Amino acid sequence: SQQGEEDPQALSIQEGENATMNCSYKTSINNLQWYRQNSGRGLVHLILIRSNEREKHSGRLRVTLDTSKKSSSLLITASRAADTASYFCATDERTSGSARQLTFGSGTQLTVLP
Amino acid sequence: NAGVTQTPKFQVLKTGQSMTLQCAQDMNHEYMSWYRQDPGMGLRLIHYSVGAGITDQGEVPNGYNVSRSTTEDFPLRLLSAAPSQTSVYFCASTPMLGVNQPQHFGDGTRLSIL
Repeated sequence: SQQGEEDPQALSIQEGENATMNCSYKTSINNLQWYRQNSGRGLVHLILIRSNEREKHSGRLRVTLDTSKKSSSLLITASRAADTASYFCATDERTSGSARQLTFGSGTQLTVLP
Repeated sequence: NAGVTQTPKFQVLKTGQSMTLQCAQDMNHEYMSWYRQDPGMGLRLIHYSVGAGITDQGEVPNGYNVSRSTTEDFPLRLLSAAPSQTSVYFCASTPMLGVNQPQHFGDGTRLSIL
């Protein structure tokens, strides 16, 4: 089952605009991660936010985490055509065992029009 | 700086054939995992390993076997290929899941079962 669910499934914006993607999850987490996937390529890690953090920045990326609502958002500011890709959230879940799993959502397809 | 290397990049099989998807990492990561990615479903965990000699099942393990004889290699075996296993397969590694480290992905193997 999917732990993280992204919203919207697809987003199309003009170059220079901001893009916001949301992720909801169901259980307690150690951290939440955002990944980017260009067409035909593997996933590339963008940013990791720990469960005790509320906001994190990396360049044009801003991630927020609300553990009370079990949700996160990824904001890409001043978007560029090169930002066109699929974006996935993934949750590192707390379990009772020694091993953990990273569970991915179904992704948001972002298209930035030049 | 090879990172995670997957071979082959593309493969076509007939129903009932077996094959091994190779995955190797040169970062001395303890945790390795295999995912499959199907349209609209994000990534689903097949098997994972927390270290050499230790493997465990993920969300969708049926029809797949893994082994971890060395830290570097984590091959995925399809025992008797079925059309339902047509997918893109990704291997990933991280120093240890649960310690706030991102995963590093290979570029994937695109597998078609006829």
